[in-house]
Amino acid sequence: DAGVIQSPRHEVTEMGQEVTLRCKPISGHDYLFWYRQTMMRGLELLIYFNNNVPIDDSGMPEDRFSAKMPNASFSTLKIQPSEPRDSAVYFCASSIQGRGTDTQYFGPGTRLTVL
Amino acid sequence: AQSVTQLGSHVSVSEGALVLLRCNYSSSVPPYLFWYVQYPNQGLQLLLKYTSAATLVKGINGFEAEFKKSETSFHLTKPSAHMSDAAEYFCAVRTAGGYQKVTFGTGTKLQVIP
Repeated sequence: DAGVIQSPRHEVTEMGQEVTLRCKPISGHDYLFWYRQTMMRGLELLIYFNNNVPIDDSGMPEDRFSAKMPNASFSTLKIQPSEPRDSAVYFCASSIQGRGTDTQYFGPGTRLTVL
Repeated sequence: AQSVTQLGSHVSVSEGALVLLRCNYSSSVPPYLFWYVQYPNQGLQLLLKYTSAATLVKGINGFEAEFKKSETSFHLTKPSAHMSDAAEYFCAVRTAGGYQKVTFGTGTKLQVIP
């Protein structure tokens, strides 16, 4: 199994530019999560999907952030326009519903730097 | 609402010494509890989990944790620290049933001194 795949691994952009982060969950998993990790705020859940449907987006910081999951094997997190305070490591994770199978599998993360 | 509190953002132990990382949870219903580990420049990976079966849970790399309902605790231990255990550890909680939203603690960085 290839695990959760994220791209790009590193992204450097200038303030005001659009940024798109991509995630491919583990095949067969029906939950997908987007997290943001910073030194100041730790690990924050931004949004999660079940069967491609957004369930809880209360962690999305503001309207500049949007996430989509057009199919079971792909999700995007978009920031438009980006700001320096968006600099963080963004993780995607996936899991599968079922008793005893609550483990979330994390991708390697995308390190975003907004100048 | 569910939450976890990790006591101590940084813990240092000598190689070979006992590792004890503390986690207390708050949940209005029976919880599922997890410990994840994050090595530098990597994503989180599961160490162990409690899902209402045995209260003493054994995980990978010699770690274990005990669920104590009376103390609302789920502390992580390892009898003898190894240099490779240096990482950040996260306690997490999920309410049993329903959607799989997990709440993570703020993390504890473990330093192992040779």
